[in-house]
Amino acid sequence: DAKTTQPPSMDCAEGRAANLPCNHSTISGNEYVYWYRQIHSQGPQYIIHGLKNNETNEMASLIITEDRKSSTLILPHATLRDTAVYYCIVNGASGYALNFGKGTSLLVTP
Amino acid sequence: NAGVMQNPRHLVRRRGQEARLRCSPMKGHSHVYWYRQLPEEGLKFMVYLQKENIIDESGMPKERFSAEFPKEGPSILRIQQVVRGDSAAYFCASSIRGASEQYFGPGTRLTVT
Repeated sequence: DAKTTQPPSMDCAEGRAANLPCNHSTISGNEYVYWYRQIHSQGPQYIIHGLKNNETNEMASLIITEDRKSSTLILPHATLRDTAVYYCIVNGASGYALNFGKGTSLLVTP
Repeated sequence: NAGVMQNPRHLVRRRGQEARLRCSPMKGHSHVYWYRQLPEEGLKFMVYLQKENIIDESGMPKERFSAEFPKEGPSILRIQQVVRGDSAAYFCASSIRGASEQYFGPGTRLTVT
């Protein structure tokens, strides 16, 4: 599985968009990009995933660059409840073991 | 629409005792995964099960740990003769098929005294 690199921490003001980057320069053609988050002491929460096209759901948007070497998770209007550790994970279509790494600790401030 | 359920939420065991952690997957999900999160560390994959089958247990410690997912009832993660190093949060996840889109339970926090 491709390795991912994320900044260790980020801040965002409440109500603003939170843009969380992820580098995955060794991603292969059949690997997907998944995003999860873990709010303190809770179980991880699936957010979104994509292959090459941009994706949007009720929680977030995922923008994947054309060369697929990086992606950005966008929370359009961050709230205090979005404070969490966000994990970018790359896995093949039949992959199931999630490698959570260290993620990005996002702090949303009032 | 109940999510993944885990019980107990907190479990305290003395060294040498057995710990049994239970996980009921989401309705319609037949694939279950167990992960462990040691204090101040990331989540690590332990085992992947389908009904009555262990698909991948590459992340399980070789001794004292076992997992099952019987035809009826919840998945069980069993830790025999617990030691202090087993103290951690154990999370269960489920999915419709073997895949990376997994839905996690609230976890069981095991404390070994």
